[in-house]
Amino acid sequence: DTGVSQNPRHKITKRGQNVTFRCDPISEHNRLYWYRQTLGQGPEFLTYFQNEAQLEKSRLLSDRFSAERPKGSFSTLEIQRTEQGDSAMYLCASSLAGTNTEAFFGQGTRLTVV
Amino acid sequence: AQSVTQLDSHVSVSEGTPVLLRCNYSSSYSPSLFWYVQHPNKGLQLLLKYTSAATLVKGINGFEAEFKKSETSFHLTKPSAHMSDAAEYFCVVGLMEYGNKLVFGAGTILRVKS
Repeated sequence: DTGVSQNPRHKITKRGQNVTFRCDPISEHNRLYWYRQTLGQGPEFLTYFQNEAQLEKSRLLSDRFSAERPKGSFSTLEIQRTEQGDSAMYLCASSLAGTNTEAFFGQGTRLTVV
Repeated sequence: AQSVTQLDSHVSVSEGTPVLLRCNYSSSYSPSLFWYVQHPNKGLQLLLKYTSAATLVKGINGFEAEFKKSETSFHLTKPSAHMSDAAEYFCVVGLMEYGNKLVFGAGTILRVKS
């Protein structure tokens, strides 16, 4: 399968614990995006990378959230000291740089904070 | 600021009848517009995109959308609904000047009755 891969698919964690999610983009794609989707809402932009550089972070991304893409390939999203409000689907997408290029989405990681 | 309004949170149609999912957008620039579909437990899939080449855009699975600048609309249509069309549909604005990040509408859940 050469699509965008996200792991794990589901994560249940206790409030206050740290969690880390991984995204493997389509191999030739130099842009990688993270979005968050809560129940009944459309996905909301969190951050994006071009190669290894993180070019933009949303105000939604509090200090407890950090994302990396160390070698310009896979990316990780870490949430420290999780809160119940962090429960959501976290989506990763990748694309080629350029205007109007299609973003391909992974199936997401569903986080439940109990 | 760029935003998207999907005018119906739920639409129900009978199999074989036309589908209309309504979307209005707000954009300071000539927008890139997309429709994505999300089936349960599957990733977001691109249906079609508008990038100023033609106002009537044809997508996959018989869907099409018409860009109307005067009405700031980008409604999605299909002449004849199929049971497999039941899913959630998102109207999306692409921000070319911000790394092509996507701004999603809240989504429309399409139900197809047999």
